[in-house]
Amino acid sequence: ETGVTQTPRHLVMGMTNKKSLKCEQHLGHNAMYWYKQSAKKPLELMFVYNFKEQTENNSVPSRFSPECPNSSHLFLHLHTLQPEDSALYLCASSQETKIHQPQHFGDGTRLSIL
Amino acid sequence: TQLLEQSPQFLSIQEGENLTVYCNSSSVFSSLQWYRQEPGEGPVLLVTVVTGGEVKKLKRLTFQFGDARKDSSLHITAAQPGDTGLYLCAGEMLQGAQKLVFGQGTRLTINP
Repeated sequence: ETGVTQTPRHLVMGMTNKKSLKCEQHLGHNAMYWYKQSAKKPLELMFVYNFKEQTENNSVPSRFSPECPNSSHLFLHLHTLQPEDSALYLCASSQETKIHQPQHFGDGTRLSIL
Repeated sequence: TQLLEQSPQFLSIQEGENLTVYCNSSSVFSSLQWYRQEPGEGPVLLVTVVTGGEVKKLKRLTFQFGDARKDSSLHITAAQPGDTGLYLCAGEMLQGAQKLVFGQGTRLTINP
């Protein structure tokens, strides 16, 4: 139990579908992150939120739309995805975005695009 | 070109053996973090090294940060099957708010 819960754990969707990934942290942290983990590629940072404000968008295509309604919840809205978007999507949180803060990861959502 | 190169990418050894994995870069980092990720789970932080030349020990695991803060190594003594997993290093960029850059990982298998 890491204190960061992601749902669903697995998701299969067609390219025309719209779905959302959810992340909830119970650690009292103020910063939350979305990462993409593909086979044979390093973990890629997608978005960073600090105190509900987006502070980083790492050139992510607009078919991925994040939402952070409060410091405990983070969503990733998906629409018209491509097969190359199939990956493990990891959510993480940290106390703040200051340096040397450890990040706590959820167990991820395994996304498959048909 | 990856900012952080980890080597080897795959390592399979017998229980009881010692091993070292490496994390190298041409860039300077304010810190380096090591994570272990097991199948079906997210990465879990093992250690953060901050000072050049710093050595940290976690039971049978020894972590070292290079003097120039560009590289790091992880040494495991008397490896056990429970050490099996994907070991990720992550460098914290020197400027600005925290931004972690991950290596591609070393997949370690310890055979009984």
